Amino acid sequence: NAGVTQTPKFQVLKTGQSMTLQCAQDMNHNSMYWYRQDPGMGLRLIYYSASEGTTDKGEVPNGYNVSRLNKREFSLRLESAAPSQTSVYFCASRMGQNTGELFFGEGSRLTVL
Amino acid sequence: QKEVEQNSGPLSVPEGAIASLNCTYSDRGSQSFFWYRQYSGKSPELIMFIYSNGDKEDGRFTAQLNKASQYVSLLIRDSQPSDSATYLCAITSGTYKYIFGTGTRLKVLA
Repeated sequence: NAGVTQTPKFQVLKTGQSMTLQCAQDMNHNSMYWYRQDPGMGLRLIYYSASEGTTDKGEVPNGYNVSRLNKREFSLRLESAAPSQTSVYFCASRMGQNTGELFFGEGSRLTVL
Repeated sequence: QKEVEQNSGPLSVPEGAIASLNCTYSDRGSQSFFWYRQYSGKSPELIMFIYSNGDKEDGRFTAQLNKASQYVSLLIRDSQPSDSATYLCAITSGTYKYIFGTGTRLKVLA
């Protein structure tokens, strides 16, 4: 039972390069989320998708774009990476009701040089 | 003001003691409140959720919610070294927005 799968798990980029973090869930969840986690900053919400076809900005959306490709997949794109985007990125999903547990992927560690 | 505030710690307690973790939030409309545990290098995992004012107990864990004071807490009884982790408080803001605090690092000393 895979749950939430993120790829890649590790990535090193140079400033200005672009990349896409992929996320897929097999739990038939409606809502999906992207967070970044930096030391002492907790989990900060970048973007979320309440349901297929919708996306909304979170707390720190600048420098990122997202695509909810279908119900299973929610990708995060960095168009022009900056050192400030060095972080651990977590994708998560939940059923999408007004309550409910978030299920997390294992995280993607991104370093921008 | 951050939407969810936690003391970053570390909070150090001896083995067998009660650990008390606190969280305040700013959105009075928040309906759902969660505590997640995160071990170093791992993903967060849900420990407790609470939706109504009062206490909710699950094994050694008790969550307490006071909506009037915009305060939620987590008590861990009989703390064990394996409880050493970062504890993240989270709320739902609106129907789908899910916001976390910065986390409190707990150290249980053997």
